Amino acid sequence: EVQLVESGGGLVQPGGSLRLSCAASGFTFSSYSMNWVRQAPGKGLEWVSYISSSSSTIYYADSVKGRFTISRDNAKNSLYLQMNSLRAEDTAVYYCAREGVITIFGVVKNWFDPWGQGTLVTVSS
Amino acid sequence: AIQLTQSPSSLSASVGDRVTITCRASQGISSALAWYQQKPGKAPKLLIYDASSLESGVPSRFSGSGSGTDFTLTISSLQPEDFATYYCQQFNSYPRSFGQGTKLEIK
Repeated sequence: EVQLVESGGGLVQPGGSLRLSCAASGFTFSSYSMNWVRQAPGKGLEWVSYISSSSSTIYYADSVKGRFTISRDNAKNSLYLQMNSLRAEDTAVYYCAREGVITIFGVVKNWFDPWGQGTLVTVSS
Repeated sequence: AIQLTQSPSSLSASVGDRVTITCRASQGISSALAWYQQKPGKAPKLLIYDASSLESGVPSRFSGSGSGTDFTLTISSLQPEDFATYYCQQFNSYPRSFGQGTKLEIK
């Protein structure tokens, strides 16, 4: 069974740091790009960061650029999100999601599936 | 950054109804759009990718259409388990933006 399990969430003070992990199983982790997506309480989905299968390409949302760092360890089938200088507005459930991709007639098609169950990060004093 | 605007933001409907949710992109994105369903306390679930391709295992009452800037998700005959929040997401460029969501409620 393809599965993603996040961990590492919790309560942290403003300005603090936290490292989230996402453990992958049931598929060849090293073959897939991965993403982090967050959802503030009662709000919609916000894409946070992307990392390619080899870690050669990384993107961030402007809202976290310079504060968050995405990384992966293909030997450990794990994805990470190092979050520094945390703010109250970073409070959210953080999901990891696998990026599916196929190419049809030279055109790349993408989607996020599956998603993990999420881990809650609360930034508060 | 590409902005996605969903309409309506909320919708009340009855079991058996046909419902349509619209997603409009701020610039053309070809067919690089996915739709997700999210139930309270759960992770999003993929329904449609490439604007109109049905994900394996998703009931055929769900369908997607559109290209360029205007997209629709249609549920042909609402079932009790379909009451949830629906999101569109674009894959044309980064950041990978989502629509604000459409909450589908029971009338």
